[in-house]
Amino acid sequence: DTAVSQTPKYLVTQMGNDKSIKCEQNLGHDTMYWYKQDSKKFLKIMFSYNNKELIINETVPNRFSPKSPDKAHLNLHINSLELGDSAVYFCASSQDRGTRAFFGQGTRLTVV
Amino acid sequence: AQSVSQHNHHVILSEAASLELGCNYSYGGTVNLFWYVQYPGQHLQLLLKYFSGDPLVKGIKGFEAEFIKSKFSFNLRKPSVQWSDTAEYFCATGTASKLTFGTGTRLQVTL
Repeated sequence: DTAVSQTPKYLVTQMGNDKSIKCEQNLGHDTMYWYKQDSKKFLKIMFSYNNKELIINETVPNRFSPKSPDKAHLNLHINSLELGDSAVYFCASSQDRGTRAFFGQGTRLTVV
Repeated sequence: AQSVSQHNHHVILSEAASLELGCNYSYGGTVNLFWYVQYPGQHLQLLLKYFSGDPLVKGIKGFEAEFIKSKFSFNLRKPSVQWSDTAEYFCATGTASKLTFGTGTRLQVTL
């Protein structure tokens, strides 16, 4: 069973579209994250949710909106996609006070 | 596909001890290697990276890693650990299209 699963794995879309990436974890963790891997291959935190509440919101355009319907899900919705949004997005989860993070396989988003 | 393996799952050290965490990568052409750290309750942060050039890479907080091509290794080192180094450490490899993480090593530093 996959601990942290993201869908879709690949997403190709046109500029201006709105798209969502879903993330689910079956580990019973309290905290979930979205990271973006940028063109320099660095992984940067975007959002972090703890028990459905936003606790980290880095400098991310308002076009990005995380949605957490319950503790096991943290979806990423992106409005008005731009070319610069092309990247690999990683979802992850961890226990509230724990250090071990489990990562999803990543979603490669390509905006054309 | 490129992959990395971390053999130390849980390491316990006393303060001032020297640290070396193992990371082995699978051959896959161009090698880009990273070490990330996640401190308790925080998100993942980049410690250091290797793309090319000097195989000895210096990172933040006194960490360094050495790329040894003949051994397919990229071990993380620190001469003297501190209690604040207690964290989860992830080795990773990849390209612009895919980043693959190791399973992580939990480092616990005792006083």
